[in-house]
Amino acid sequence: GENVEQHPSTLSVQEGDSAVIKCTYSDSASNYFPWYKQELGKGPQLIIDIRSNVGEKKDQRIAVTLNKTAKHFSLHITETQPEDSAVYFCAASLGKFYFGSGTKLNVKP
Amino acid sequence: EAEVAQSPRYKITEKSQAVAFWCDPISGHATLYWYRQILGQGPELLVQFQDESVVDDSQLPKDRFSAERLKGVDSTLKIQPAELGDSAMYLCASSLRGGGGSQWTEAFFGQGTRLTVV
Repeated sequence: GENVEQHPSTLSVQEGDSAVIKCTYSDSASNYFPWYKQELGKGPQLIIDIRSNVGEKKDQRIAVTLNKTAKHFSLHITETQPEDSAVYFCAASLGKFYFGSGTKLNVKP
Repeated sequence: EAEVAQSPRYKITEKSQAVAFWCDPISGHATLYWYRQILGQGPELLVQFQDESVVDDSQLPKDRFSAERLKGVDSTLKIQPAELGDSAMYLCASSLRGGGGSQWTEAFFGQGTRLTVV
């Protein structure tokens, strides 16, 4: 089955700085890669996704890049704000979703 | 905005007791997922439904867990008997449809049920 690895496990940045979270996947057949934000005690919230026929996608302050050859994809958050603090999960999908282990992002005011 | 509804939000039960969770997906979503999330880890799929049919339950501990989606709409996940190791967040998600190739659509999660087995 698919194996998704996510790094780093924790990330602390100053407000206004950028944050980058990276994931790798093992199954080259995976073709859909969503990112979720999870706040304490709540369910994961879809924030952005990318499909295998696209290399990059941007939505305001967040962007995702995909390198199919290397089998890795990344989440980029620019101009971070304290409300960006949460746990972020990447996932890879082909038929079902496989999640990374999560990155706890702390944005310091 | 349409949401995936789950109940209860919190459940405390004694080991060896039975417990059930309910999920109502977003209207029109054919695919429904049940995930288990242990604290500090990513969600792991327990069972996936397409309409009323199970399409993947390979990770469901069938000796104690069962899931149904009788009319292809809402779903129930049951644990009997509960064990201490079942303490986790149980998440339900839904998508318009699931499949390979270009048929994938986004999956949306509910707020989850936090289960504590004592």
